[in-house]
Amino acid sequence: GNSVTQMEGPVTLSEEAFLTINCTYTATGYPSLFWYVQYPGEGLQLLLKATKADDKGSNKGFEATYRKETTSFHLEKGSVQVSDSAVYFCALSGQGGSEKLVFGKGTKLTVNP
Amino acid sequence: GAVVSQHPSRVICKSGTSVKIECRSLDFQATTMFWYRQFPKQSLMLMATSNEGSKATYEQGVEKDKFLINHASLTLSTLTVTSAHPEDSSFYICSATRGEASSYNEQFFGPGTRLTVL
Repeated sequence: GNSVTQMEGPVTLSEEAFLTINCTYTATGYPSLFWYVQYPGEGLQLLLKATKADDKGSNKGFEATYRKETTSFHLEKGSVQVSDSAVYFCALSGQGGSEKLVFGKGTKLTVNP
Repeated sequence: GAVVSQHPSRVICKSGTSVKIECRSLDFQATTMFWYRQFPKQSLMLMATSNEGSKATYEQGVEKDKFLINHASLTLSTLTVTSAHPEDSSFYICSATRGEASSYNEQFFGPGTRLTVL
């Protein structure tokens, strides 16, 4: 079945540091890939997505590129801020636009001033 | 827009009792709602998918008689944990989409409900 593996946290960075959170997936066909963010006390929010190979999703300075050859969708940001402190989830949905999401375990990011 | 609320945010109950969790879409009509369960340091696991006015579709391994789901209106779905036991203690999260289940639509998530069964 489909699965998502993302790097375990927690990750602690200083403000303006470079961020990478690794995510790899196993899926049949051509899934859509997502990054969700959960700020303290809030629900998950869609951060960015990519629906086909080589697509790059971007939002709020975060980027991730759908790499089919390495089955990866790593999240990056060039300069993190304290307000980026949250839990980040990588997820996929199945081929054909199935709305069911399969999530990774989440990575907690803390950014210190 | 697209806000989803859950109530209660935390609940503690005794073993053997039933607990109801509400999920509401506050500013849109949700044709499809999802219920997830999250264990500590684990990913969200989909429990069931519900469409307004029809029976929920449960994922393999989820007991439908234990986790009763009612999607009574386009803005409300409820999850009832019947005869709760300590192993049911978990974080329950709902989400909702605006569109049809036949194609991907963004899911909007509630803040979750922490259930503790003593």
